[in-house]
Amino acid sequence: EVQLLESGGGLVQPGGSLRLSCAASGFTFRNYAMSWVRQAPGKGLEWVSAISGGGANTYYADSVKGRFTVSRDNSKNTLYLQMNSLRAEDTAVYYCARDPIAVAEYFDYWGQGTLVAVSS
Amino acid sequence: SDELTQPPSVSVSPGQTARITCSGDAFPKRYAYWYQQKPGQAPVLVIYKDSERRSGIPERFSGSSSGTTVTLTISGVQAEDEADYYCQSKDSAGTYVFGTGTKVTVL
Repeated sequence: EVQLLESGGGLVQPGGSLRLSCAASGFTFRNYAMSWVRQAPGKGLEWVSAISGGGANTYYADSVKGRFTVSRDNSKNTLYLQMNSLRAEDTAVYYCARDPIAVAEYFDYWGQGTLVAVSS
Repeated sequence: SDELTQPPSVSVSPGQTARITCSGDAFPKRYAYWYQQKPGQAPVLVIYKDSERRSGIPERFSGSSSGTTVTLTISGVQAEDEADYYCQSKDSAGTYVFGTGTKVTVL
C-alpha cells in the first residue's frame, strides 16, 4: 500500500525557516517524481515544487523560487522541502504527492498534509 | 494564458447529473486530470488522461473533452459526492497547473 506521511510543519515567524519531510513507503521511491502542493486556508491547490526520481532535476513555482529548495534521499525514501524567508502568504497545508509517469503529468497518491503557519 | 477556469460552485439534487467544466488554453493539446477533495482530507485522483476513471472510482464519474473545455460529469449524484473538485494539467513551462476549483453541493 502506497503511503506518504508528511511532517515538520508548525508555527514560524516571518523571515524564518522550516524543513518539511515526506516519508514514503509501499513503492520503489526512486522510480517516481515527487512534488509538494500547498493549499492556503479556504483556497485552492497550488503546485509548489517537483523533483525527478533520481533527484537531478528540480522545478519550482515562481512564488517560491529562490526561497524553497526541494530534495530527496532515495536511501531513506524521503522527500524534503527546505523553506527559507517565509512569508505570511506561505501559510498553508503542504501535501507531498507522487507522479506516476514523470514530472508534470499528474498525482496518483497524496499524503495527508502538514500545516505551516507563518505569523508573528 | 496558463489558467484553468472552473465555476466556483455547482448545486445538484440527489440522483441528478452534475457537470463541472474546466476551460483553458492547455486543452486539447494537454491531458486533463480531476481530483476530489472532501473537507479536511487530501485530494483524491478521480479521472486521468481526460476520461480514464481511476480504479475504485464509481462509474458515475466520467470525463470528457471538447476544444478548450474539459468536463467532469457525475451521473446520479449521491450525498457522498459533495466535495471540492479540481482539474489539473500541464502549463506552458512544463509544470503543473490546477484549476480554480468547484464546490459541489448536493441539495
